[in-house]
Amino acid sequence: EADIYQTPRYLVIGTGKKITLECSQTMGHDKMYWYQQDPGMELHLIHYSYGVNSTEKGDLSSESTVSRIRTEHFPLTLESARPSHTSQYLCASSGHRYEQYFGPGTRLTVT
Amino acid sequence: GDSVTQMEGPVTLSEEAFLTINCTYTATGYPSLFWYVQYPGEGLQLLLKATKADDKGSNKGFEATYRKETTSFHLEKGSVQVSDSAVYFCAHTRDNYGQNFVFGPGTRLSVLP
Repeated sequence: EADIYQTPRYLVIGTGKKITLECSQTMGHDKMYWYQQDPGMELHLIHYSYGVNSTEKGDLSSESTVSRIRTEHFPLTLESARPSHTSQYLCASSGHRYEQYFGPGTRLTVT
Repeated sequence: GDSVTQMEGPVTLSEEAFLTINCTYTATGYPSLFWYVQYPGEGLQLLLKATKADDKGSNKGFEATYRKETTSFHLEKGSVQVSDSAVYFCAHTRDNYGQNFVFGPGTRLSVLP
């Protein structure tokens, strides 16, 4: 059973606010990922990390930033939220066996 | 470049019907192949996987066979239930190191009682 957690599950926030979406995993996985999922369901990779102090941008350009100071923690930050950031954000991790394990997601609404 | 093409949804079936969701991929090397399922309001869950040609992945009555000659990984189930209603994603590893994935656009399945 995979253990990966995201908080908050739902967030409604006003334009211009700074927000941090939390993601933690207890499996000791080196690789972690952030995806943005649009209403049409498609997943877009926005950030990934292969280990502590390693972060890379994904396929979809994003105004968010990430950090990886501890293996188990991979937070995503938006310095100034905008309505265009409204989306579902999914965090995932993977170990030696390639498959990715997903958290429950954070549904963000920016008003 | 790498890509995954899936059957367009939504797919609507009656309970106990046979399910096929087509998936074809374009990739270099020898990718591992996956099917993920997403229930409403949740993240993705790994449904099954196959790591080499002719492997069959199976779980919860779902099956898919890695067909390298046709670059396909079609998902099948002999008798669907209402509880199978969800969005199904086909995916493959992007490189031989399995570092990143390429996901398909997802296929929504609705099963009616």
